Amino acid sequence: DSGVTQTPKHLITATGQRVTLRCSPRSGDLSVYWYQQSLDQGLQFLIQYYNGEERAKGNILERFSAQQFPDLHSELNLSSLELGDSALYFCASSPYSGSTDTQYFGPGTRLTVL
Amino acid sequence: AQSVAQPEDQVNVAEGNPLTVKCTYSVSGNPYLFWYVQYPNRGLQFLLKYITGDNLVKGSYGFEAEFNKSQTSFHLKKPSALVSDSALYFCAVRDIRGYSTLTFGKGTMLLVSP
Repeated sequence: DSGVTQTPKHLITATGQRVTLRCSPRSGDLSVYWYQQSLDQGLQFLIQYYNGEERAKGNILERFSAQQFPDLHSELNLSSLELGDSALYFCASSPYSGSTDTQYFGPGTRLTVL
Repeated sequence: AQSVAQPEDQVNVAEGNPLTVKCTYSVSGNPYLFWYVQYPNRGLQFLLKYITGDNLVKGSYGFEAEFNKSQTSFHLKKPSALVSDSALYFCAVRDIRGYSTLTFGKGTMLLVSP
């Protein structure tokens, strides 16, 4: 167990809908990262927050947004969902924002868009 | 731009035999390198990382990896494979210069037969 928690574990929704994925980092970790894992794209970095502020952005669609709250938990919001958004969404956390930091991954949220 | 290549989609090995999972990388500067393992329906688990120093890095569960700068490789190895090692293995790289996010390879499925 990495100490990173994600809810919900599974999410089934319809196209056009909006969902929110939640992540609680390991105790003391200030950085939260979001990744999308799909069969065709592999593991893609979406976005990173460090101590409440956006630190880095990857291949995140405009329909997706995230935030990190004062208690350091993070939420990833996905809107106007499309079939192609079906994937595993992982959250990871690390102590700081340094390049040597190890990222510790949560168990993921499996999103199915019907 | 940084990138990681895992040239084998799948590696098959018999239990008790040594295993190698290959990884090559490309970065502008010097790399930080990581290996993660993903078991079915689970998040990624950190195995080991190379930051600096000894080219042979030892990690969890008896795994080790050798950093080879001239060949830009960071192959994962284990002297004696276990059936329980069967999983998906990811190599990841980060450029030491400036701030960069972690880039993952597409993953290699390791299958250890009894």
